[in-house]
Amino acid sequence: AQSVTQLGSHVSVSEGALVLLRCNYSSSVPPYLFWYVQYPNQGLQLLLKYTTGATLVKGINGFEAEFKKSETSFHLTKPSAHMSDAAEYFCAVSEGGGADGLTFGKGTHLIIQP
Amino acid sequence: DARVTQTPRHKVTEMGQEVTMRCQPILGHNTVFWYRQTMMQGLELLAYFRNRAPLDDSGMPKDRFSAEMPDATLATLKIQPSEPRDSAVYFCASGLMEGNTIYFGEGSWLTVV
Repeated sequence: AQSVTQLGSHVSVSEGALVLLRCNYSSSVPPYLFWYVQYPNQGLQLLLKYTTGATLVKGINGFEAEFKKSETSFHLTKPSAHMSDAAEYFCAVSEGGGADGLTFGKGTHLIIQP
Repeated sequence: DARVTQTPRHKVTEMGQEVTMRCQPILGHNTVFWYRQTMMQGLELLAYFRNRAPLDDSGMPKDRFSAEMPDATLATLKIQPSEPRDSAVYFCASGLMEGNTIYFGEGSWLTVV
């Protein structure tokens, strides 16, 4: 069975600082990995995804993530945080490319300090 | 701009009442998912359909929940009777079986009092 662990339910960074949100996964087959963002009172928006190929994936809003098979990780980073990045971030895994649904982590609430 | 549309956006109802949530998937998508989001459990997959046929509803409480897809443009999630523990945000999402991206609607925010 697949699963996702997001370390840290809340992460606080200063505006302009590096953002690092951690995600570790468990999967019995090569996984498809996703990061979604949820702004208050809104649905989930896809930030980026890893399917196959290049392990460093770039997404929207300056975010990127690196798939590390040896560490079973897919951490999300952004070099310089902006106030508008404050939101809930979800890591998700799928063993079927998303066709059979995604398994989500519990989410990390990102707080940006001015 | 193609999007998944959900109605109602917000619903407050009394315990015991029937609640129906509706979803219009993105045109052409052949897979539709229903997720529930709560503070305690996070995002849970309740059920999903492919080409309108139910594939998996193991995440759904069978005694009070039902999900259907009457046609390719409409998916419904019904709760009868509703209970306070059903209070949550219910998301519909759609995608292509051949693809690898799932698009989420804005959610239906349900409060059962």
